[in-house]
Amino acid sequence: EDQVTQSPEALRLQEGESSSLNCSYTVSGLRGLFWYRQDPGKGPEFLFTLYSAGEEKEKERLKATLTKKESFLHITAPKPEDSATYLCAVQASSGGSNYKLTFGKGTLLTVNP
Amino acid sequence: SAVISQKPSRDICQRGTSLTIQCQVDSQVTMMFWYRQQPGQSLTLIATANQGSEATYESGFVIDKFPISRPNLTFSTLTVSNMSPEDSSIYLCSERLTQETQYFGPGTRLLVL
Repeated sequence: EDQVTQSPEALRLQEGESSSLNCSYTVSGLRGLFWYRQDPGKGPEFLFTLYSAGEEKEKERLKATLTKKESFLHITAPKPEDSATYLCAVQASSGGSNYKLTFGKGTLLTVNP
Repeated sequence: SAVISQKPSRDICQRGTSLTIQCQVDSQVTMMFWYRQQPGQSLTLIATANQGSEATYESGFVIDKFPISRPNLTFSTLTVSNMSPEDSSIYLCSERLTQETQYFGPGTRLLVL
């Protein structure tokens, strides 16, 4: 069974204090790893998809990296508007729905001014 | 990016009743999905809504409880039938626009009393 574990569950940062969120996964063949941002009362907002170990993608203050067992979301010099829950999901290349995303529970990031 | 709308945005329902949630996307897509986000839990795939054929349900979800329609490439409905308090959740429509991107709607917040 595919599993995704995100850590920490919650993270408080001061504005400008860089850090990383972790997403560990167990999957029977990785087809893609997705990162989302979710604000309170809203649906998940798509950020990145990563496909193979060593791949990196960037968007503003966010950079996502991928290894064979985990992905990191690095946040550089965060601002209060980066406060949100960040979700990680994997798509397996075999078994079940070909497009099923298995999600972690998310990391709640709070950036204080 | 994609524009996905859902109706209603929220509802409070009585035990034993049914609620139909509508999802409209702004472009024709092959793959549409319905997810559930229960409090403190991960987003979980309910089913894949197939245009012109029956939906494909994930383990633990059945058609009698969650009937789905997909009359065309831009619209789908999910019905939550014979509701109980355990069905209180956020229900999210999702579309796979490309192999690399999957977007979510704003969600329908359901409370069952």
